[in-house]
Parts: sequence; C-alpha cells; structure tokens
Amino acid sequence: GEDVEQSLFLSVREGDSSVINCTYTDSSSTYLYWYKQEPGAGLQLLTYIFSNMDMKQDQRLTVLLNKKDKHLSLRIADTQTGDSAIYFCAEGQTSYDKVIFGPGTSLSVIP
Amino acid sequence: ETGVTQTPRHLVMGMTNKKSLKCEQHLGHNAMYWYKQSAKKPLELMFVYNFKEQTENNSVPSRFSPECPNSSHLFLHLHTLQPEDSALYLCASSQEVAVSSYEQYFGPGTRLTVT
Repeated sequence: GEDVEQSLFLSVREGDSSVINCTYTDSSSTYLYWYKQEPGAGLQLLTYIFSNMDMKQDQRLTVLLNKKDKHLSLRIADTQTGDSAIYFCAEGQTSYDKVIFGPGTSLSVIP
Repeated sequence: ETGVTQTPRHLVMGMTNKKSLKCEQHLGHNAMYWYKQSAKKPLELMFVYNFKEQTENNSVPSRFSPECPNSSHLFLHLHTLQPEDSALYLCASSQEVAVSSYEQYFGPGTRLTVT
C-alpha cells in the first residue's frame, strides 16, 4: 500500500520537547519530508532527509530516520506556542515518482 | 507578488453552480498540483501537470475539470458538485518533473463549501 501513518494529536507544554512520529511503506523512498500547516495557510516545507541519512539537525528541529523500521520522527526542542500547527510527514516514492502525505499530527502547545 | 497564490480564498456554491478555482505561481516552476484536504484525512492528490501536460489524474470525478494554460497558471473548474466535495483545495508547485525529489510549494488554499 501507499499509506503514511501518523498519530492525529499531540499536546505538549511550552518549553518541553515535542516528538512527532511517522511510519511509511515504500522502502524505495528517496526523500522524506516534514511539512507544517498553520491555521488558514497552505503547507510549508520544514525539513527533509535523504534515505541514506540517519539524522538531520536544523536549529530546534531534529529528524531521525530508521530505514529498517520505516520510521521517521521530528523532534522540536524548546517548543513554543508558535509551533502549534499541523505537521505532515511525506514520503517521496521514487518508484512511482509521487509524494504521499500522512494525515497530519495536530500539535497543541500549552502555555 | 511571490510564491503560490490562490483565488478565491473562500467559496460557497450550490450543487447546480459552475465555478472555477485559480492558482498562480511566480516561482518559475514546471510542475503544478491540485490537492483536496478534508478533515482528519490524508491529503488527496487530484491532478499533476508537468510542463502544462496532465501527467496524473487520481481517479477524480469528472465534475472536477483541471486546466493548465501555461506553466504559471492552473485552474480547477467545478460543476454539479456534491456536499461531500466541501473541503480545502490546495494548489502546489515544484521545480521539475521528478515529483518525488523536489519540495512542493503550497498556496493558502480555497475553502469550498457546497450547499
């Protein structure tokens, strides 16, 4: 199948770390993406990782990839109220040349 | 103006109406997309255009009709829609044909309500 799965909701306290998890299905996926959607806006690319990498860090964001388990995670350090949004995991399926999005995880940050 | 723009931002239409959604990208990209976003469901890819040619139609009902007159503009013509078609319709663009490899830039979407 082509499913990308994510939990739908996550709630954290301001200042804590958030970890958003994702599982995907296509082992040939070359690129794995995290997009952010703020209320009333379209999706915006946050970061991406190549499938030959295990980890990528970009300021407060850390992406971990376990290719064996087809598991991707996004860690947001020192989560702020401005991080409240929906986060979409997506896999770039090389074999089909398409990008499959997950259902999105709605992150709520409690002040 | 930069990025990907969509008009209108909100649209309410009856089931017998005909309307069109417009998308414009100012990024010099060659691929454009229509997605449907419904609550609690994965983003549904509807259509893909590369260099003005439609390369994917994801089993979309014929009441949705896309048009891509040039690489910068994409339309979605709507007619005789159903209430279940109410959703946020997102347009996106990316640099090139290798869809899986390039970042997609999204517009803010058109919130469509079918009454």
